[in-house]
Amino acid sequence: EVQLVQSGAEGKKPGESLKISCKVFGDTFTDYWIGWVRQLPGKELEWMGIIYPEDSDTRYSPSFQGHVTLSADKSISTTYLQWSALKASDTATYFCARLFVQKTSVTSLFLDYWGQGTLVTVSS
Amino acid sequence: QPVLIQPPSASGTPGQRITISCSGGTSNIGKNTVNWYQQLPGTAPKLLIHSNNQRPSGVPARFSGSKSGTSASLAISGLQSGDESEYYCAAWDDSLNGVIFGVGTKVTVL
Repeated sequence: EVQLVQSGAEGKKPGESLKISCKVFGDTFTDYWIGWVRQLPGKELEWMGIIYPEDSDTRYSPSFQGHVTLSADKSISTTYLQWSALKASDTATYFCARLFVQKTSVTSLFLDYWGQGTLVTVSS
Repeated sequence: QPVLIQPPSASGTPGQRITISCSGGTSNIGKNTVNWYQQLPGTAPKLLIHSNNQRPSGVPARFSGSKSGTSASLAISGLQSGDESEYYCAAWDDSLNGVIFGVGTKVTVL
C-alpha cells in the first residue's frame, strides 16, 4: 500500500529557515509527480507546486514561486518543501500528495494518496 | 490564487440526497476532468471521486459525480452522520499548470 509520511509539526520564528519532508513508502518513488498543498487555518486547499523526483523537474504556482523551494532525494524516496525566511503568514498545514496521471480516452490527473500533513507555526 | 466556486454549505437529514455544485472555467473544468475530496476535521483530504465520476476502491456508491461544460457536481445519497465533512472539488488548470481547488463546502447532517 502506498503511504506518504510527513515530518512532524514545527514551531519557528519569523525570518528563520525551515525544511519539511514527505517520504513515500510502497511505490516506485520516481514514477510519479509529488505535489504540495497549503491549507491556512480554517481555509481552503491551495496548490503550491509539484516535483518529479526522477529528475527534480519542478513547477511552482505563481503564488508561491520565489518564496518556497521544492527538492527531492531519490535515494531515500523523499521530497522536501523549504523556506529560507519564514513569515507569520506561512502559518498553515502543508500536505504532500501523489499526482496520478491516468491515460484512457481522456487524460485524468488527480491526487490519490496524501501525507498526514505538517503543521507549521510561525510566531515571534 | 484562482479557485473553483462552491456553495459554502449544504445540509440534509439522514437518508436524504444532497448535491454540491462546482463552477469553473475553460482552462480547468472545461478542459480537464474533475475530482472531489472529502476532508474530515483535522485530517488530510481523501480522494472521493476522480475523473468526473469514478469512485476509488472503498468509496461507497452513495457518492457520485458528474460534469457538464465548465461545471460539476457531487451527489451524496442516503446521507449519514458520518458524511459530515468539508468537500472540495478540484481540476487541473492549464493556465496555472497545476491543480485548482474549490473553496470547499461544509456538509451538515441535521
